[in-house]
Amino acid sequence: AQSVTQLDSQVPVFEEAPVELRCNYSSSVSVYLFWYVQYPNQGLQLLLKYLSGSTLVKGINGFEAEFNKSQTSFHLRKPSVHISDTAEYFCAVTRAWRDDKIIFGKGTRLHILP
Amino acid sequence: ETGVTQSPTHLIKTRGQQVTLRCSSQSGHNTVSWYQQALGQGPQFIFQYYREEENGRGNFPPRFSGLQFPNYSSELNVNALELDDSALYLCASSWTSGSSYNEQFFGPGTRLTVL
Repeated sequence: AQSVTQLDSQVPVFEEAPVELRCNYSSSVSVYLFWYVQYPNQGLQLLLKYLSGSTLVKGINGFEAEFNKSQTSFHLRKPSVHISDTAEYFCAVTRAWRDDKIIFGKGTRLHILP
Repeated sequence: ETGVTQSPTHLIKTRGQQVTLRCSSQSGHNTVSWYQQALGQGPQFIFQYYREEENGRGNFPPRFSGLQFPNYSSELNVNALELDDSALYLCASSWTSGSSYNEQFFGPGTRLTVL
């Protein structure tokens, strides 16, 4: 079975400062990794995904994440945040080569301070 | 191209009642997945339908059931509602093909409140 742990439930950060949201996963089989964003009262939007290849993946809105197999981590980063980045961020995993369930972490709420 | 839509947006029911939530898949998609997102939690997988057949189920009791129609729209039915069923219900559609990965596109959700 797969599981995802998001280490911080809330992260406050000043506008234009860098941010890192931490994610660790557990799986005995190959997985795909994802970060989703959920703005207030909305559904989920895919920020970025790691399927294979380069361990540094770039997504929308200036976000990037690095897959670290030895650390079983997939941390999300942005060099300079904006007030519009205020949202809930979910790390997620699914078994590679399978079109079935996505397993989500509990989420990290990103608070942008003026 | 029309995205994933869900109806209704909000719904209030009382304990013991039954509810039906609806999802219209993105054009051309043949697979739909349903997720339950309780307040302050990440989404949890309920089940998935592929070409009108259930194709995987999460840890939810049988009173959670679903249907997928020939036009690939879908319903989630919940019988004998309990207070803990209060949540945001998300559906996601995708095109299942021979490739290794098929992105799931999420709808805006239906907020169910059980009193």
